[in-house]
Amino acid sequence: GENVEQHPSTLSVQEGDSAVIKCTYSDSASNYFPWYKQELGKRPQLIIDIRSNVGEKKDQRIAVTLNKTAKHFSLHITETQPEDSAVYFCAAPKSGNTPLVFGKGTRLSVIA
Amino acid sequence: GAGVSQTPSNKVTEKGKYVELRCDPISGHTALYWYRQSLGQGPEFLIYFQGTGAADDSGLPNDRFFAVRPEGSVSTLKIQRTERGDSAVYLCASSTNGRAIVDTQYFGPGTRLTVL
Repeated sequence: GENVEQHPSTLSVQEGDSAVIKCTYSDSASNYFPWYKQELGKRPQLIIDIRSNVGEKKDQRIAVTLNKTAKHFSLHITETQPEDSAVYFCAAPKSGNTPLVFGKGTRLSVIA
Repeated sequence: GAGVSQTPSNKVTEKGKYVELRCDPISGHTALYWYRQSLGQGPEFLIYFQGTGAADDSGLPNDRFFAVRPEGSVSTLKIQRTERGDSAVYLCASSTNGRAIVDTQYFGPGTRLTVL
């Protein structure tokens, strides 16, 4: 089955700087990679996702890149703001099935 | 439109008791998922429904856990003889049809279960 590793576990950046979070996966058949943001006490919210037929996707200050050969994908947040502070989770499908396997999360702190 | 809802938002119970957690998916979503999130961890898959049937229940930790979705909409997660280790946030998610692995999963707010 799928195994997802995420790092770093914590990340602190100055407001306005960029943040990068990386994930690796094990199942070469996986073709969908979502990123969720979870604020304290709230539900996970999808912020961006990427399918395996593209290598990069952007949405304003957020981008995701995918390297299928190396089996890793990354979340890039530019011009970080204090409201970006949260825990971010990457995920990949479980053994080609639709339930997701999540990474352990990255706690991002944006310091004003 | 209305998102995924879960009740109760919090549940405190004593060790050995039985609990039921309810999930109302987004209207029209045929796929429904239960996850469990322990403190400081990512959501962990429990069970997945496609319509009324459990398509994958391989994540249920043991036979004390059971879930149903009798009419293909609302689902109930049932935990018998609760143990302190069952304490966690139980998250429900739904997606359009669950047959294509590109379906976006939308999460509910979760039920925080505390077993004393």
